[in-house]
Amino acid sequence: SNELTQTPSVSVSPGQTATITCSGDGLPKQYVYWYQQKPGQAPVLVMYKDTERPSGIPERFSGSSSGPIVTLTISGVQAEDEADYYCQSADSSGKQYVFGAGTKVTVL
Amino acid sequence: QVQLVESGGGVVQPGRSLRLSCVGSGFNFNNHPMHWVRQAPGKGLEWVALISYDGTIKYYADSVKGRFTISRDNSKNTVDLLMNSLRGDDTAVYYCARREAYMFYFDYWGQGTLVTVSS
Repeated sequence: SNELTQTPSVSVSPGQTATITCSGDGLPKQYVYWYQQKPGQAPVLVMYKDTERPSGIPERFSGSSSGPIVTLTISGVQAEDEADYYCQSADSSGKQYVFGAGTKVTVL
Repeated sequence: QVQLVESGGGVVQPGRSLRLSCVGSGFNFNNHPMHWVRQAPGKGLEWVALISYDGTIKYYADSVKGRFTISRDNSKNTVDLLMNSLRGDDTAVYYCARREAYMFYFDYWGQGTLVTVSS
């Protein structure tokens, strides 16, 4: 199966740490990528190859991987980080792609 | 800068067809595989289809296989999605997305176009 499982929601106070996990049968063989989506906007890539941060993404965003679980961590959460976060992977040949169901991050 | 602009969305009756188009600019269009990803109202992202950089390889999600056709015209920097036999569960915002040249992720997205299938 190529399904990815995410925690549906995470609530965190400003300045605290938000941890979002993504697990799947195909991991860790395949990389995971993370997208942030705010209401009414297109997704934005915030992490690639499990742990790599694209240019322009704040350093408070970090990624880690342990076995079949990949984690996106937001340290020192800010109000602007409130959004839906999706993990994404693909099969080994890049023929089929899958997204997790998304994690809603609420900043209290 | 990289831009992807979708068009063609609208309201369509069940069973009818609709063609979406996406035009890219600010990058070498023919160096990148292109994808369509959709998002039903209030739901998550769903990958729909991909086309290789030269248009020779195409793959589809099971939910649209046999009904949707992806194509591209590198001379015009466009990628299209022809959607036939539309159903209510095809109602979604459809995003055009550029795949990174060598890795399996989407580095740029359009703003999306809304398709509503309703009688």
